[in-house]
Amino acid sequence: KQEVTQIPAALSVPEGENLVLNCSFTDSAIYNLQWFRQDPGKGLTSLLLIQSSQREQTSGRLNASLDKSSGRSTLYIAASQPGDSATYLCAVIDTGNQFYFGTGTSLTVIP
Amino acid sequence: DGGITQSPKYLFRKEGQNVTLSCEQNLNHDAMYWYRQDPGQGLRLIYYSQIVNDFQKGDIAEGYSVSREKKESFPLTVTSAQKNPTAFYLCASSIGVWGQETQYFGPGTRLLVL
Repeated sequence: KQEVTQIPAALSVPEGENLVLNCSFTDSAIYNLQWFRQDPGKGLTSLLLIQSSQREQTSGRLNASLDKSSGRSTLYIAASQPGDSATYLCAVIDTGNQFYFGTGTSLTVIP
Repeated sequence: DGGITQSPKYLFRKEGQNVTLSCEQNLNHDAMYWYRQDPGQGLRLIYYSQIVNDFQKGDIAEGYSVSREKKESFPLTVTSAQKNPTAFYLCASSIGVWGQETQYFGPGTRLLVL
């Protein structure tokens, strides 16, 4: 069964810093990988979706990369802002159409 | 505005009671999903439906039931058989085939046991 791990569980950085969030998965036979943002007590907002044939996706200050062979994805956030404070979740969909979520990284950007 | 709505925001359940969580979408999406989120754990799939009048069990379906009579609606019932129902419940939808499209999430319902 696929296992998705996110490290670190929590991260605190000063405003303006560039940062990297990590996601690893145990089975490289995935269909795609998504990064989500969740604010406290709220639903999830999709940030980026990377198809298995892609290496990376970019949206504004966010860049997500995917290395299927090593079972890793990273979410890079440039020039962090206090409004970026949230929990970031990665999720993989395997070739059996099963959806697996990581436990998330809680990010705090200090003004 | 297009989107997914969930109600209520908070729900309280007494022992032995069945409760129903509402999920409605006006995105014209075929597929809808229910997840449960517990502290320190990733989201876990309860049920999903890829078309009206059809639904499939997810990883933790025991103690839950769903229906999909309309494309827009996918209510989740937490039955008395679910012994640990306290959690944050999230509904999601996607355009069509699972895995090819982004899932859009509702704001969630927090269920508490009295």
